[in-house]
Amino acid sequence: DTGVSQNPRHKITKRGQNVTFRCDPISEHNRLYWYRQTLGQGPEFLTYFQNEAQLEKSRLLSDRFSAERPKGSFSTLEIQRTEQGDSAMYLCASSLSGGYNEQFFGPGTRLTVL
Amino acid sequence: KNEVEQSPQNLTAQEGEFITINCSYSVGISALHWLQQHPGGGIVSLFMLSSGKKKHGRLIATINIQEKHSSLHITASHPRDSAVYICAVSSGSARQLTFGSGTQLTVLP
Repeated sequence: DTGVSQNPRHKITKRGQNVTFRCDPISEHNRLYWYRQTLGQGPEFLTYFQNEAQLEKSRLLSDRFSAERPKGSFSTLEIQRTEQGDSAMYLCASSLSGGYNEQFFGPGTRLTVL
Repeated sequence: KNEVEQSPQNLTAQEGEFITINCSYSVGISALHWLQQHPGGGIVSLFMLSSGKKKHGRLIATINIQEKHSSLHITASHPRDSAVYICAVSSGSARQLTFGSGTQLTVLP
């Protein structure tokens, strides 16, 4: 399978716990995006990597959120001290760089904070 | 006011009907995207366009750059077309997407 994969697909955690999600992009894609989608809404941009460099972060990405993309391959998104408002679908997408390039989305990780 | 506005929010049609979903945006863009999302979350890109019109099977997407408006048309709709259709625009050096809130389409047999 050469698509974007995300793990885990579902995560249930208690408020205050830390969680980490992983995204494996399409192998030749050097751009990687994280988005968050709450129920009934369109996704919202969180952060963007070009290779291993995190080049943009949304104001939505509070200090409790951190993302990495070591070696420019897979990426992780960590949320510390989770809050109920963090409950959402976290989507990863990847694309080639340069020009207008289609973004390919992973299946998402659904986070529920109790 | 959201940067990307879609209408309608919900649409119910009978099988075979011609469907139109509209999208207006208020920012400068690199390209406009139409995406399809099925229950469970998976998002599939349908079209990416920066001018004119594109067609794929029963789906047609048009964009008017001057009016900052795009439409997605589905001809001869089928129950399997039932999904959420999302308009998004890409902008900035990162080409990150700004999404509309989506249109829930239900096609009844």
